[in-house]
Amino acid sequence: RKEVEQDPGPFNVPEGATVAFNCTYSNSASQSFFWYRQDCRKEPKLLMSVYSSGNEDGRFTAQLNRASQYISLLIRDSKLSDSATYLCAVAQLGSNYQLIWGAGTKLIIKP
Amino acid sequence: DADVTQTPRNRITKTGKRIMLECSQTKGHDRMYWYRQDPGLGLRLIYYSFDVKDINKGEISDGYSVSRQAQAKFSLSLESAIPNQTALYFCATKDAGGPKNEQFFGPGTRLTVL
Repeated sequence: RKEVEQDPGPFNVPEGATVAFNCTYSNSASQSFFWYRQDCRKEPKLLMSVYSSGNEDGRFTAQLNRASQYISLLIRDSKLSDSATYLCAVAQLGSNYQLIWGAGTKLIIKP
Repeated sequence: DADVTQTPRNRITKTGKRIMLECSQTKGHDRMYWYRQDPGLGLRLIYYSFDVKDINKGEISDGYSVSRQAQAKFSLSLESAIPNQTALYFCATKDAGGPKNEQFFGPGTRLTVL
């Protein structure tokens, strides 16, 4: 089993819809969680950190469920420009803060 | 100008050749990382460095070496390239004291080994 797993998708979603996807992690010692966005053939860029209490940034909401060991990303009122691959990354305490990455979920927003 | 740059951006080489990929940053970050990305596998850490002359192996260091001679530069070498090293390579930097613990990535180097 991979340490960090994501549904590869693609998720095909009409513009304006709400979409959510999860990322599961296997190491219960995981301490920090992130969502990155990667456009085709480009570098990953931080979308948002995921805090224990959940956090929101505009149309994006990130949640952490420690009991079930997953994080989620919800996108409301999706835009064509949201089309990308969304990577989750997890860091464990005492690992020199190395990030373990999921393989990404591809999202396609259709007009 | 980009904060993290990588050269070359694309490279095609043959099995057995020595290849060096360069990474430079103007962000003043002390931590630097080399990753490779393969379809369906996500980013995997090759080597990382917390300071000049500090080198640490990542998950998949076999077949690679690195050099950190200056804070702003971190180079990755493939001593004898093989076809399964064909991948997209990213350099990343991080400020040890940064509030978000965010890693900043270069634009990537697409390497093909024939």
